[in-house]
Amino acid sequence: GQNIDQPTEMTATEGAIVQINCTYQTSGFNGLFWYQQHAGEAPTFLSYNVLDGLEEKGRFSSFLSRSKGYSYLLLKELQMKDSASYLCAVRLLSGSARQLTFGSGTQLTVLP
Amino acid sequence: DAGVIQSPRHEVTEMGQEVTLRCKPISGHNSLFWYRQTMMRGLELLIYFNNNVPIDDSGMPEDRFSAKMPNASFSTLKIQPSEPRDSAVYFCAINQGRGPGANVLTFGAGSRLTVL
Repeated sequence: GQNIDQPTEMTATEGAIVQINCTYQTSGFNGLFWYQQHAGEAPTFLSYNVLDGLEEKGRFSSFLSRSKGYSYLLLKELQMKDSASYLCAVRLLSGSARQLTFGSGTQLTVLP
Repeated sequence: DAGVIQSPRHEVTEMGQEVTLRCKPISGHNSLFWYRQTMMRGLELLIYFNNNVPIDDSGMPEDRFSAKMPNASFSTLKIQPSEPRDSAVYFCAINQGRGPGANVLTFGAGSRLTVL
């Protein structure tokens, strides 16, 4: 099976930087994804890492270390609209499977 | 652009009733997924289809749950009979399978089910 861990809640201040960590234990790793989910809405794709290193996309960056089973999502210049749940998800190497297994999510609250 | 339309958006029903949730992928996919989200268990994969064929239904909780995909533009998730513990938000998602969207799941808005 697989196990994905991320903090339940985090709080940060508008304009600051926050790092949301995710650790995983899986067999057959084939990529790590970050999704954002605002309350009452569907998850939306943020980033994807399959190789070690940092992927930057505007104010958001995601890092992966496969040997450590570790990823983080870095949010810079926080805005109030960044208050949401951030879901870490792992894709497994399994035939033609493209299904993702999601962590429980980290609820980020951005304060003024 | 790929997109997903789900209906109903909200449903309240009584224990024992049949519930049918619907998903209409707009275009551009070859895989379709049904997920369930609750506070206790987070986002769980129930079943997924590849080219309209069910590939993995190991996440379906029990025989009360069934899913079909008669064509590329329509899928249903049925619960019969429903129970209060089935209360959750049910998401349908698609994956384009190739090209720039190959790694991205696009979710529908979800169907919020409450079983009394």
